Amino acid sequence: QQQVKQSPQSLIVQKGGISIINCAYENTAFDYFPWYQQFPGKGPALLIAIRPDVSEKKEGRFTISFNKSAKQFSLHIMDSQPGDSATYFCAALTGGGNKLTFGTGTQLKVEL
Amino acid sequence: KAGVTQTPRYLIKTRGQQVTLSCSPISGHRSVSWYQQTPGQGLQFLFEYFSETQRNKGNFPGRFSGRQFSNSRSEMNVSTLELGDSALYLCASSLGPGQGFVETQYFGPGTRLLVL
Repeated sequence: QQQVKQSPQSLIVQKGGISIINCAYENTAFDYFPWYQQFPGKGPALLIAIRPDVSEKKEGRFTISFNKSAKQFSLHIMDSQPGDSATYFCAALTGGGNKLTFGTGTQLKVEL
Repeated sequence: KAGVTQTPRYLIKTRGQQVTLSCSPISGHRSVSWYQQTPGQGLQFLFEYFSETQRNKGNFPGRFSGRQFSNSRSEMNVSTLELGDSALYLCASSLGPGQGFVETQYFGPGTRLLVL
């Protein structure tokens, strides 16, 4: 049972454009929503995270938008750069443990 | 500070064999989690250890097991390997409970296991 659905599977954006990746969850017990970035040959690295008591969190060019009633959250990458080309995973967690439930991943390519 | 270290980085085994993977967490981190990454199933949680005790467990068969040592280093073992066990096995470490609402997990580079 897939508890976190992620779309799109792949995304091509022009340099300077906005990349948007969407996720939806089913389990209302989730209370922490991180995004991870993974480059080939590397493990995932935490990019940004949000708790459901806020609707938006911004860190540099990366913004998470969160809609608790719709059980959806998204990652926006502003001014996308070729160095942002990677696979992005959304995830969800319930407090009190480290059992991350991941989305299926989005392969982002930023073209010059 | 050194990151999470996983050994070996690559491994080839045949069906029916068993394998042991090792993970050394970031210094001072006491919690270690293991994940399996495959193209078909994505990233799936295997189990988590803290203070040598399993704290959480995913939905994997009993062939997958783990343990943690007093220095927080962890090993995972897969017995009676199947072709479908071919995957990237990732280890993540965190400080442990009581360090805040959420324990940020730092991932290692993974061990790529190929079962022939």
